[in-house]
Amino acid sequence: QVTLKESGPALVKPTQTLTLTCSLSGFSLSTNGMRVSWIRQPPGKALEWLARIDWDDAKFYSTSLESRLTISKDTSKNQVVLTMTNMDPVDTATYYCARSTTAIMYGMEVWGQGTTVTVSS
Amino acid sequence: QSALTQPASVSGSPGQSITISCTGTSSDVGNYNFVSWYQQHPGKVPKLMIFDVSHRPSGVSNRFSGSKSGTTASLTISGLQAEDEAHYYCSSYSSYNSPLVFGGGTKLTVL
Repeated sequence: QVTLKESGPALVKPTQTLTLTCSLSGFSLSTNGMRVSWIRQPPGKALEWLARIDWDDAKFYSTSLESRLTISKDTSKNQVVLTMTNMDPVDTATYYCARSTTAIMYGMEVWGQGTTVTVSS
Repeated sequence: QSALTQPASVSGSPGQSITISCTGTSSDVGNYNFVSWYQQHPGKVPKLMIFDVSHRPSGVSNRFSGSKSGTTASLTISGLQAEDEAHYYCSSYSSYNSPLVFGGGTKLTVL
């Protein structure tokens, strides 16, 4: 069974750096065609795509947030890590990781449960 | 402001059909067949309903269908059921900004 699980701090202070981890189960990101994205959703608002990392370590970022984001993978731990610098209250959101594959290139068919992050002093 | 434009809300009665539009540009919807649709119930995780404009993942009801004309994609739900009441989001590959962009979401109310 393919699952993803997000983890990270529930509360961060403004200007701090957020580090989120997505733990993968039932598949490996080292397998050809696998991709993992991060998406966020502020309370009551729309989904926003943030970043993606592929099996071959290709990385893609939201143009508007690229300067603040870094995505990486730890194949040995089967995890994907997202860091976001200079956090602001507007970054308060539920953060999801999700899997896509080259079979469904831009559709994310398996999502984690999400982790809620509040930015407040 | 979302890259793709969706109506804020649509409604329909049980058994009816509704269509949700998703308008983009030639940099996304208009030139690429990588439009997806997601269903999200309150407090729940988004669920992929349609990918590549009109393809349904395994397990998704055939009451859900997708299409595209020019720079506008559409999601049609036929035979509306109470359980279809949810928010729906479209997404598309984009060659202009981020590789993937979402719409602002549409709330479907089943009357």
